[in-house]
Amino acid sequence: NAGVTQTPKFRILKIGQSMTLQCTQDMNHNYMYWYRQDPGMGLKLIYYSVGAGITDKGEVPNGYNVSRSTTEDFPLRLELAAPSQTSVYFCASSYFQLANYGYTFGSGTRLTVV
Amino acid sequence: SQELEQSPQSLIVQEGKNLTINCTSSKTLYGLYWYKQKYGEGLIFLMMLQKGGEEKSHEKITAKLDEKKQQSSLHITASQPSHAGIYLCGADMGAGGTSYGKLTFGQGTILTVHP
Repeated sequence: NAGVTQTPKFRILKIGQSMTLQCTQDMNHNYMYWYRQDPGMGLKLIYYSVGAGITDKGEVPNGYNVSRSTTEDFPLRLELAAPSQTSVYFCASSYFQLANYGYTFGSGTRLTVV
Repeated sequence: SQELEQSPQSLIVQEGKNLTINCTSSKTLYGLYWYKQKYGEGLIFLMMLQKGGEEKSHEKITAKLDEKKQQSSLHITASQPSHAGIYLCGADMGAGGTSYGKLTFGQGTILTVHP
C-alpha cells in the first residue's frame, strides 16, 4: 500500500526553467491537494481537486498549474520558475472531504530555484 | 496575520517533562487536525477534534478543543526524544462542509527534546 507518492524528492531549478512535480495516490481518494511549506509559515494551499477533471485555485496559485485527468494522478506544473517558488511541496489526498483522519500526505518535494 | 496561530513557535524541553502547544483562531473551527512532521518527511496524522469540549488521547499525547471551538491544545506527558519534530494544527473553517476539505494550517511548533 503505497499511499501518496511524490517525485522527485529533491530538485534544483534555474530561474525561468519549468518542471512538473508528480503526485500519485493508490487509495481511490476523490480529493487531492497541493500545499507548499515555507519556514515559519505553515502550509499554504496552491490548488486542489475534488475529482477527475475538476480543479480549483487555493490561496497561492500564481505561477502554478495543475491537471487531474485520472483519480490517481495530480501533477503540479511550475512555469518560469522564480526564487520565490523555493519551498517544500506536499501533495495530499482524502477519500471524501476530510473524514475522521484528515489527509494522507506524500513525503514532499524539496525545490530550490537559483 | 495568520488565521490560525500556534504557540510557542519553538520549544526545548528535557526528557520527561510535560509540555503544551496551543492553536488559536478568531473564527469557529469545524474540524481541528493535529499533525506531526519529522525533517524531510511528510505529515503524520495524530488526532482530529470536531465537537466543542472534545478531548482525545493517544499514548502520551492528549488534544482538546475548547467549548467555543476556537482554540485547541496538544499536551505531551513525560516527553521522550521520539516526540521531537514539528507539530502543526490544521483547521477546516468551512461550515456545513463548504470548504471541500481545504485546511488552514498554523505556522508549526518545533519541539526539541533533550535526553
